[in-house]
Amino acid sequence: AQSVTQLDSQVPVFEEAPVELRCNYSSSVSVYLFWYVQYPNQGLQLLLKYLSGSTLVKGINGFEAEFNKSQTSFHLRKPSVHISDTAEYFCAVTRGSSNTGKLIFGQGTTLQVKP
Amino acid sequence: EPEVTQTPSHQVTQMGQEVILRCVPISNHLYFYWYRQILGQKVEFLVSFYNNEISEKSEIFDDQFSVERPDGSNFTLKIRSTKLEDSAMYFCASSDEETQYFGPGTRLLVL
Repeated sequence: AQSVTQLDSQVPVFEEAPVELRCNYSSSVSVYLFWYVQYPNQGLQLLLKYLSGSTLVKGINGFEAEFNKSQTSFHLRKPSVHISDTAEYFCAVTRGSSNTGKLIFGQGTTLQVKP
Repeated sequence: EPEVTQTPSHQVTQMGQEVILRCVPISNHLYFYWYRQILGQKVEFLVSFYNNEISEKSEIFDDQFSVERPDGSNFTLKIRSTKLEDSAMYFCASSDEETQYFGPGTRLLVL
């Protein structure tokens, strides 16, 4: 079985500062990894994904994440955040043998960008 | 850009009543899902659906729940007799075999 832990429930940061949202996973099999963003009163939007290949993946809105197999981590980073990045961020995994399997989500991290 | 749509956006119902949540997946997708998010908690998988049958379901998805693709475009989640603890945001998703795309959700409140 897979599980996901997002180590920070809330991350306050000032505008234009860098940010890292942490995600660790546990799995006995290979996994695919995803970050989704949920803006207030909206659904889940895909930020980026790791399926295979380069461990550094780039997504929308200037976000990137690095897959670290030895540390079982998939931390999300952005070098300079904007007020509009204020949202809930979810890390998710699915079994690496099937892209169509269920997603297992972390608890979510609330990013609060302050002016 | 194609997107998953869900109706209604909000639903209030009395305990014990049946509700049907509707979803229109992206048109060329073949894999469909329902998830739910109880307020303040993580998003939880309920059920996946492929080729007109359930491919996987969670422990949450008991006999009170059912899914259907009645007309080749809609994908519905039915809760036969709602309980207070069914109050949550329900998300539909469809997949192109690489990524799951989520709808905006239906907020269900059971009184």
